[in-house]
Amino acid sequence: GAVVSQHPSWVICKSGTSVKIECRSLDFQATTMFWYRQFPKQSLMLMATSNEGSKATYEQGVEKDKFLINHASLTLSTLTVTSAHPEDSSFYICSALEGFGYEQYFGPGTRLTVT
Amino acid sequence: AQRVTQPEKLLSVFKGAPVELKCNYSYSGSPELFWYVQYSRQRLQLLLRHISRESIKGFTADLNKGETSFHLKKPFAQEEDSAMYYCALKGGGYNKLIFGAGTRLAVHP
Repeated sequence: GAVVSQHPSWVICKSGTSVKIECRSLDFQATTMFWYRQFPKQSLMLMATSNEGSKATYEQGVEKDKFLINHASLTLSTLTVTSAHPEDSSFYICSALEGFGYEQYFGPGTRLTVT
Repeated sequence: AQRVTQPEKLLSVFKGAPVELKCNYSYSGSPELFWYVQYSRQRLQLLLRHISRESIKGFTADLNKGETSFHLKKPFAQEEDSAMYYCALKGGGYNKLIFGAGTRLAVHP
């Protein structure tokens, strides 16, 4: 089946620094990728939708200058958390759509801790 | 506004008992609904989709437009069904999903 990977799985960074999270579709081409944020014991909150070769579409309330998304190829999307602060600590999950299919394939998530 | 409501945070049953995880939605158009499951230490994965009307792992879900519900049911719960279950609505552009808060199903021996 379709597999989505994320790297790193866990990262700690200091307040004020930037951190990049990668999302890769390993065995399919993903025209659309999604980035979610999940707080402990809470649901997934969609942050943005990215389409290969175009600018990401951010959900209301998500700072596009803080959460930079780049969908450089059909198999790779990156999320960069710029000038991270402790409140950005969370679990970030990406998903990918294969072609024009309906099923989103989810990555395992990346736990970000900002100290 | 598009919204998915899962009223129960935790559903605790004994093995062999029937299970119903509730999901209600709010959507102005024709909805497309899904159930996703997340087993312990695993990633989120699709369980079933209302359009396919199939049974997966003994689970079924019927879309009731009159009650705006998409409840997930299984007649006889198994211990391996213990997981977090999310109801999701596909709405807006780009096939984006709106998730409910999730219900943790705990099946006891």
